[in-house]
Amino acid sequence: AQSVSQHNHHVILSEAASLELGCNYSYGGTVNLFWYVQYPGQHLQLLLKYFSGDPLVKGIKGFEAEFIKSKFSFNLRKPSVQWSDTAEYFCAVNGYSGAGSYQLTFGKGTKLSVIP
Amino acid sequence: NAGVTQTPKFQVLKTGQSMTLQCAQDMNHEYMSWYRQDPGMGLRLIHYSVGAGITDQGEVPNGYNVSRSTTEDFPLRLLSAAPSQTSVYFCASRRESSSYEQYFGPGTRLTVT
Repeated sequence: AQSVSQHNHHVILSEAASLELGCNYSYGGTVNLFWYVQYPGQHLQLLLKYFSGDPLVKGIKGFEAEFIKSKFSFNLRKPSVQWSDTAEYFCAVNGYSGAGSYQLTFGKGTKLSVIP
Repeated sequence: NAGVTQTPKFQVLKTGQSMTLQCAQDMNHEYMSWYRQDPGMGLRLIHYSVGAGITDQGEVPNGYNVSRSTTEDFPLRLLSAAPSQTSVYFCASRRESSSYEQYFGPGTRLTVT
């Protein structure tokens, strides 16, 4: 079965600091990888996704992520965070479930608090 | 185009009561799913459907039933609510392929006392 591990439960940064959130996955086949963001009181929104090709993926709001196949990692980065980036971030992997469909498995999430 | 809609937004139940959480999408997506979100646990898959008339269990299906009579609707039923089912429930949909992102509804916050 596939699994996703996010390294940090809670990250606190000052505005303009750089951000890197770790994500490792466990899955034996071809995967599609996602980062979702959940702002306080809101539903999940897609930040970026990787399916194939260039392992450096750029998403919305200045976020990017790098897929490193040899490390089973898909870390999220942003060079300079803003207070409005305060949210919870979820890494997810879409792998074949063996039951005729692909299932999205989420990590436990990382809360990011940005201090003005 | 409303996307994925869920009702109600909030609900309080007593232990043993039953209720149905509604989910609808207007994007003609084949795949629909239900997740529950608990603090420190991320999102866990309850049930999913790959098309009308086809449903299957996810990671945490116990205590929940689903059906899919139309492409648009995917209700989640709690037959006898328990305090352990206190959670935020999200419905999601996508095209039936691994290459498509899931779109999430706004969520239902359920409290069972």
